[in-house]
Amino acid sequence: SAVISQKPSRDICQRGTSLTIQCQVDSQVTMMFWYRQQPGQSLTLIATANQGSEATYESGFVIDKFPISRPNLTFSTLTVSNMSPEDSSIYLCSVRRGTGREQYFGPGTRLTVT
Amino acid sequence: QKEVEQNSGPLSVPEGAIASLNCTYSDRGSQSFFWYRQYSGKSPELIMSIYSNGDKEDGRFTAQLNKASQYVSLLIRDSQPSDSATYLCAVNMAAGNKLTFGGGTRVLVKP
Repeated sequence: SAVISQKPSRDICQRGTSLTIQCQVDSQVTMMFWYRQQPGQSLTLIATANQGSEATYESGFVIDKFPISRPNLTFSTLTVSNMSPEDSSIYLCSVRRGTGREQYFGPGTRLTVT
Repeated sequence: QKEVEQNSGPLSVPEGAIASLNCTYSDRGSQSFFWYRQYSGKSPELIMSIYSNGDKEDGRFTAQLNKASQYVSLLIRDSQPSDSATYLCAVNMAAGNKLTFGGGTRVLVKP
C-alpha cells in the first residue's frame, strides 16, 4: 500500500471563498485521483491528476471550479473554488503505484461550507 | 441502469454468521474488481481485489467473481461486531483506467 496524508483534515469555510487541499504520498506513485463523497453517498471521481500536465476531469466537473495541480510524483492539490453549501463533502485523494491495479485512499478532508 | 449496483442494506447479521454481499456491473469488458470497507467517518480501506473468475480467499473474507453473469460478491465468515461498516464494490471499467463505485452496502453485525 502507500502512506497518504491530506491537509487539512477538515475545514469550515464561508460561501464564495476557495480552499486548497493537499495530498502527499510517502513514495512515488503513477496515478493520483481526487474523489468527492457527499453526505450519505458513495464516491464520485472528480479528476485524474496528471503529473506535469492538465488534469483529466470527469463529466460534471470543470477546471474552473476544481483546479488541480500535480507538480511531481508524490504531491497533488485540489482547490474547491467559489464554494457554495453544495460543495460540503469529504474530498479524498487516491493513488495507484507502479503498474498495480489496486488503489488506496488518503484519510480525506471534510469540508463544510456555510 | 447504474454502472455498479449494490443493495444499500442494512444487512443485519448475527455475530459468528456469514455476511453475503452482492454487486453487479454493467460493463462486460471490466477486468478488475475491488471491495472496500468504510467505517463511519473514515476513508475507504481496500480489503479484497479479484481479477479472475472464481473465488479468492483472504482470512475471513472471500471474493467471488463471475464475469459471464457480471457479478461479484463478498463473503465475510465468522462476522464480528467490528465488521459493522459500509462495504463498497468498485469496478475498473474497460473504458478508462479508473474505478467506478457502487452505492455501498451497510452491514450491521449484532452481538
